[in-house]
Amino acid sequence: QQQVKQSPQSLIVQKGGISIINCAYENTAFDYFPWYQQFPGKGPALLIAIRPDVSEKKEGRFTISFNKSAKQFSLHIMDSQPGDSATYFCAATYIKAAGNKLTFGGGTRVLVKP
Amino acid sequence: DGGITQSPKYLFRKEGQNVTLSCEQNLNHDAMYWYRQDPGQGLRLIYYSQIVNDFQKGDIAEGYSVSREKKESFPLTVTSAQKNPTAFYLCASSALAADTQYFGPGTRLTVL
Repeated sequence: QQQVKQSPQSLIVQKGGISIINCAYENTAFDYFPWYQQFPGKGPALLIAIRPDVSEKKEGRFTISFNKSAKQFSLHIMDSQPGDSATYFCAATYIKAAGNKLTFGGGTRVLVKP
Repeated sequence: DGGITQSPKYLFRKEGQNVTLSCEQNLNHDAMYWYRQDPGQGLRLIYYSQIVNDFQKGDIAEGYSVSREKKESFPLTVTSAQKNPTAFYLCASSALAADTQYFGPGTRLTVL
């Protein structure tokens, strides 16, 4: 199974609050899990990524938590700002796969209210 | 100024017409990809190429064709066989066996 399931589809958070987006995967061969941020009318940009040998990775206000046994990973946006309003996609792949094909979740539209 | 360029930004097509979307990169990446994005949905892989003159079908290749005659270029043709072509098309590239894919700004195709 190549599917990556993402939830919620959308969320609204107040400025300064925490945004949490969850993803679940089925293919245990996946070994790289990136998160992309996309603004309207633009291409996605890599935000942060994690490999399964660590349980957490933090970059500024963005943190990925990874649970290998549950086959789940999540993105936490701390101190959310209006500029964080965007659509976020989780993805998964296995680096040695032919073509390094990314499998994307369905996306989460985040709105940060001032 | 390195990066990926896609043109045109907006494209309108009449039913029954073939159209070609351009993707160029100057990142010296070997691998290039085409994705389709529909409103409220994730990205789905159409085609990808790891080397010049070679490409592979992705998950939704029907009704599309590609070529890879140069390392820096990977044009996508949306043929009349594609029944529902209205979507946002994204091109990406990466180094071989590298983890990060870099995306272009996209082309929005609308069928009139």
